[in-house]
Amino acid sequence: DADVTQTPRNRITKTGKRIMLECSQTKGHDRMYWYRQDPGLGLRLIYYSFDVKDINKGEISDGYSVSRQAQAKFSLSLESAIPNQTALYFCATSRDPGTDTQYFGPGTRLTVL
Amino acid sequence: GENVEQHPSTLSVQEGDSAVIKCTYSDSASNYFPWYKQELGKRPQLIIDIRSNVGEKKDQRIAVTLNKTAKHFSLHITETQPEDSAVYFCAATPYSSASKIIFGSGTRLSIRP
Repeated sequence: DADVTQTPRNRITKTGKRIMLECSQTKGHDRMYWYRQDPGLGLRLIYYSFDVKDINKGEISDGYSVSRQAQAKFSLSLESAIPNQTALYFCATSRDPGTDTQYFGPGTRLTVL
Repeated sequence: GENVEQHPSTLSVQEGDSAVIKCTYSDSASNYFPWYKQELGKRPQLIIDIRSNVGEKKDQRIAVTLNKTAKHFSLHITETQPEDSAVYFCAATPYSSASKIIFGSGTRLSIRP
């Protein structure tokens, strides 16, 4: 879905480096999410935001931080990357998860050496 | 909080046969149950969803059934085709303004020619 974009699409970094993943959307949705996908573990929620002033931790927030710069932008940061943070990261948006579809970005494949 | 278990983790069926993927959830307040399909190298996309006031929903070759008493729901794909090969995720969410969606661990479906 071209309405949710992520940059970069691929990134290789070294242990200890700071890295930021960015997500932008043109859907006008208030709710934005960051997920991590690992083989056999499905989609695990890292952080979510219901509006610009609202940030919430998900089930695996340790080692990550986020910033909601505007309704359309939600960034995920790894302050000091470690190898077990190697994964596929998805951003998603929705109007309301209780009644509405989640729209995913194309994903960012992150490798930490 | 909600917990969603999905089985099997991998499934291989002959083209033309049916495939069934099952999920159970723990929170009796959950009332929205979407299914997402993720093709290789692509983002997850919604294929069908069901709400708690409905027992079954069909869309062409796919159907979802819900048993609220037993707290389980299933995805049925009939007359499988090669393009059905993908990873399928079930999910559940309780309806509230502060709710977030919880995904199952995924099922990798392979269609044998």
